Amino acid sequence: AQKITQTQPGMFVQEKEAVTLDCTYDTSDPSYGLFWYKQPSSGEMIFLIYQGSYDQQNATEGRYSLNFQKARKSANLVISASQLGDSAMYFCAMNSGGSNYKLTFGKGTLLTVNP
Amino acid sequence: GAGVSQTPSNKVTEKGKYVELRCDPISGHTALYWYRQSLGQGPEFLIYFQGTGAADDSGLPNDRFFAVRPEGSVSTLKIQRTERGDSAVYLCASSQNPRALQETQYFGPGTRLLVL
Repeated sequence: AQKITQTQPGMFVQEKEAVTLDCTYDTSDPSYGLFWYKQPSSGEMIFLIYQGSYDQQNATEGRYSLNFQKARKSANLVISASQLGDSAMYFCAMNSGGSNYKLTFGKGTLLTVNP
Repeated sequence: GAGVSQTPSNKVTEKGKYVELRCDPISGHTALYWYRQSLGQGPEFLIYFQGTGAADDSGLPNDRFFAVRPEGSVSTLKIQRTERGDSAVYLCASSQNPRALQETQYFGPGTRLLVL
């Protein structure tokens, strides 16, 4: 079984500053994928970034980067230069080689960007 | 192109009634997924379709829940004898190649179901 833990129910950040959202995971499968999704108040889940378990480099997508520490089983999301529109729920999720179509999500972190 | 669409956006029903929730995936996506998101939780997997067949329905909570995808495109999630505990947001997602680990699932806006 796989599990995602997000220990920060809520986070605050000042506009234009960077913020790190924590995610730890657990799986016995050596092949897995890690995802971050953003869910604004409208409800739609928006894909942000992906990291594969065999990827040598940390993933980056624009202002989003993933701090992947395999030995610690952590996959923290870093958002640089925060914008007011970044205020939303953020979910970490994973799949694994055994059932790679099935995403397991954490409980999420509510990020609030202050002006 | 259009994203994943779901109808209705909101549904209020009474305990014991039958409801149908519809999902229209991104055109050309062969894989379709249903998830359920309870208040304050992340989405939980319900069922996965590859084409017309349900490849994995292990997440359906009980036999009151059923889903179909008869022509390999639109899917309907059906809930019989609804209970108050069924109240949640039901999310649908689709993707092109579910066999790839890095395959992105694209989500719809969800249907908010409230059972009174």
